[in-house]
Amino acid sequence: GAVVSQHPSWVICKSGTSVKIECRSLDFQATTMFWYRQFPKQSLMLMATSNEGSKATYEQGVEKDKFLINHASLTLSTLTVTSAHPEDSSFYICSARDPTDNTGELFFGEGSRLTVL
Amino acid sequence: GENVEQHPSTLSVQEGDSAVIKCTYSDSASNYFPWYKQELGKRPQLIIDIRSNVGEKKDQRIAVTLNKTAKHFSLHITETQPEDSAVYFCAASIGNAGNMLTFGGGTRLMVKP
Repeated sequence: GAVVSQHPSWVICKSGTSVKIECRSLDFQATTMFWYRQFPKQSLMLMATSNEGSKATYEQGVEKDKFLINHASLTLSTLTVTSAHPEDSSFYICSARDPTDNTGELFFGEGSRLTVL
Repeated sequence: GENVEQHPSTLSVQEGDSAVIKCTYSDSASNYFPWYKQELGKRPQLIIDIRSNVGEKKDQRIAVTLNKTAKHFSLHITETQPEDSAVYFCAASIGNAGNMLTFGGGTRLMVKP
C-alpha cells in the first residue's frame, strides 16, 4: 500500500516555542492530506484538511492561527504548532489517500508525539 | 456533519472467544466504512473495510457487517488471540480521495490468555 511518513516521531519543547511537523507521501502524490490529533486513550479528532496550493480547511474549534498548515507540494504537508502550551501536548497524526487508488483506503503517518513543558 | 458512535469502549474476552464491536453513523451519504487497529503509540492500521454496496465482508478471522437502513456496522473477530489486543476504531466517510474519515470513539480490546 501507499506510504505516508511523518517527522519527527517525538518532540519535546518549552512553552511558548513553535514546533513544525512534516508529513510526506512517499510513493504517491496527495492533493489532500488530513491532520488528526489524538489525546491519550481517546479517538482521532480531525483538525484540518490540507489542500495542496490552497488554504487548509479547519474543523470547528481548531485555531488556524495556532495550528498553521502548509501544503506547498504534492508530497509534503506541514503542521506548525505556534506558541505551544502544555495543553497542546498530544499525538498528532497525518493521513492521506492515493488518488489513483479507488479503494479509498486512508494511510496514516507514524504520528508525532508532542510534549510541551 | 457525520457522527460516529462506537460501543463498547472496552471489551475483555478470553482467548479463543469472539469479540464484537458495533458502530452507528448519522450521515446516510456515507458509503465507506473502514476499521482500524491501533497498538499503543503506533499509527492506525487498516484491518478491513466495507462499502455500502455489500452487507458483509470477511477476511480470515475478521468480518464486518453493514446495515445501511439502520446505519450501523459491526466488526466481528473470531478465535481471538492475545495479539488481537489493541484499540479498534471504526470510521465512516464518503469514499473518495478528498473526503475525510470520521472516527468512532474507539474500543480497547483485551484478550486474556
